[in-house]
Amino acid sequence: QKEVEQDPGPLSVPEGAIVSLNCTYSNSAFQYFMWYRQYSRKGPELLMYTYSSGNKEDGRFTAQVDKSSKYISLFIRDSQPSDSATYLCAMTGFQKLVFGTGTRLLVSP
Amino acid sequence: ETGVTQTPRHLVMGMTNKKSLKCEQHLGHNAMYWYKQSAKKPLELMFVYSLEERVENNSVPSRFSPECPNSSHLFLHLHTLQPEDSALYLCASSQDTRENQPQHFGDGTRLSIL
Repeated sequence: QKEVEQDPGPLSVPEGAIVSLNCTYSNSAFQYFMWYRQYSRKGPELLMYTYSSGNKEDGRFTAQVDKSSKYISLFIRDSQPSDSATYLCAMTGFQKLVFGTGTRLLVSP
Repeated sequence: ETGVTQTPRHLVMGMTNKKSLKCEQHLGHNAMYWYKQSAKKPLELMFVYSLEERVENNSVPSRFSPECPNSSHLFLHLHTLQPEDSALYLCASSQDTRENQPQHFGDGTRLSIL
């Protein structure tokens, strides 16, 4: 079993839709959770950073962590074509940083 | 310049060539990392440096040789590479190696081995 599972997609949505991106994990030691956005031919860009369970909001983006279910989500409201990218979840615990494989998101005008 | 800068952006080399990848960070961070990103795989951590000292080496073949002359610069020296080494090589930095410090990435070097 992989430590972090993430659906590779692609996930195709129309402009304005609410997008939900998810990761599940198996290691209960993970405490810090991140979402990175990676555009084509670019490096990953840190989008959201959360600690422990709960929600964190930043503009159109909301990161949610449910440690009891070992499940994290990234919600994008009013999605835009410029949100089209690959979204990577990442998490750390006990000096270990593990990434998901990334979900490719396509937002059509 | 700000952030993490990697050069070259693209590199094509034969299996017998020797080349180097360069990374420079302008964030005042003390830790730097090399990752390999292949299609449909999670990022693979290769090397970790903290204050110019290598603190982690994840069973990387010796044909990859890192160098960290100071806390702002990181190199990856390549020699006798194999076709399966073709990938995007990413450099990252963080304030230090504590797990609560998020990493910031460069745009990578796309490496193709002929």
